[in-house]
Amino acid sequence: AAGVIQSPRHLIKEKRETATLKCYPIPRHDTVYWYQQGPGQDPQFLISFYEKMQSDKGSIPDRFSAQQFSDYHSELNMSSLELGDSALYFCASSARLGLTSSYEQYFGPGTRLTVT
Amino acid sequence: ILNVEQSPQSLHVQEGDSTNFTCSFPSSNFYALHWYRWETAKSPEALFVMTLNGDEKKKGRISATLNTKEGYSYLYIKGSQPEDSATYLCASSNSGYALNFGKGTSLLVTP
Repeated sequence: AAGVIQSPRHLIKEKRETATLKCYPIPRHDTVYWYQQGPGQDPQFLISFYEKMQSDKGSIPDRFSAQQFSDYHSELNMSSLELGDSALYFCASSARLGLTSSYEQYFGPGTRLTVT
Repeated sequence: ILNVEQSPQSLHVQEGDSTNFTCSFPSSNFYALHWYRWETAKSPEALFVMTLNGDEKKKGRISATLNTKEGYSYLYIKGSQPEDSATYLCASSNSGYALNFGKGTSLLVTP
């Protein structure tokens, strides 16, 4: 079965650079969530989108922005990168309407961002 | 309880032992409780989603219970096997759907 796809899987950037992470949800899933997991920390919710509109906002820094496109894929844009942004960034998708439960979130493999 | 808390942080059992973990979560504005199994270098795998007080779910040797009034859930593994070794994450969601994760319980099962 198709899963959540994230790209790139690994990314190395320098301080003050920008980065763009991409997430392709499971087909027919209309909701995308972004989570950040720092070293030794539990995953923290950043932001979510439902039907291309922002639906919930967590601890996302002002330097980050995200959007969901017409094909439901999402991109997380990160500017003025700091060392503390080094983390594993997970994307998850779910379907609030349709065939699958609206509660379950399916996770992608994550993008490991290293800021040097 | 303001955050999701899991205990123990880590657990080491012998093959064949049965074990259980605890997840405590905020009971106010509760919507759903999720359990995930997470192996290193892989994405978290959904085990259970529970919403109703008293819910019990089972998948093979793994089962979970939910008490929404007191804000806790138990995950049980019967007859642990080495392939059960992983981090077990608990997460709660309110009506906003976003997951609030605990730090996980790291389970190691040795032959």
